[in-house]
Amino acid sequence: GESVGLHLPTLSVQEGDNSIINCAYSNSASDYFIWYKQESGKGPQFIIDIRSNMDKRQGQRVTVLLNKTVKHLSLQIAATQPGDSAVYFCAEYNQGGKLIFGQGTELSVKP
Amino acid sequence: DTEVTQTPKHLVMGMTNKKSLKCEQHMGHRAMYWYKQKAKKPPELMFVYSYEKLSINESVPSRFSPECPNSSLLNLHLHALQPEDSALYLCASSQTPRGPYEQFFGPGTRLTVL
Repeated sequence: GESVGLHLPTLSVQEGDNSIINCAYSNSASDYFIWYKQESGKGPQFIIDIRSNMDKRQGQRVTVLLNKTVKHLSLQIAATQPGDSAVYFCAEYNQGGKLIFGQGTELSVKP
Repeated sequence: DTEVTQTPKHLVMGMTNKKSLKCEQHMGHRAMYWYKQKAKKPPELMFVYSYEKLSINESVPSRFSPECPNSSLLNLHLHALQPEDSALYLCASSQTPRGPYEQFFGPGTRLTVL
């Protein structure tokens, strides 16, 4: 069946370093992907999205890369800060219009 | 106003109680969603309302009863819950259900069933 998953459940980085969070998806027909950040005790917060007609999209300190050939999505965070510590979910819109979440990666930033 | 609000923030209830969770958005969105999230897990879709009508029920037990009184409000009525129903309940909204569009999430209601 369709699934969206992440390669690593946890990621620890030093403050100031760049972070890369990966995600694999299985439905080659998916055309819209979202990265969400969820801090402890809060709801998911939109970070950045990308449509399948793009390979790369940049926001403020974040970049999303989409490789449709290998069905791989990544989120890059530049100059990671303690406030970036959270769980990051990739999500994919399936054909039924449902948002399917990956398992999440917990990012810890060491000062 | 780009915010989804949810009340209450926390709720503790017994298995015989009846309670309701409330969600509100004023972004003019015509799709609203209920998700359930267990600790360390991704959100799981429960219900989708499209133009105030229930369009998707992900085989949720009848002890959860959603209601959409108008385009800005979404309720989740709870009755005879089980301890395993304890979770974070998230409400979300999007421009339309057809999308794909970003879903905006509320802060959630932390529910504990004793």
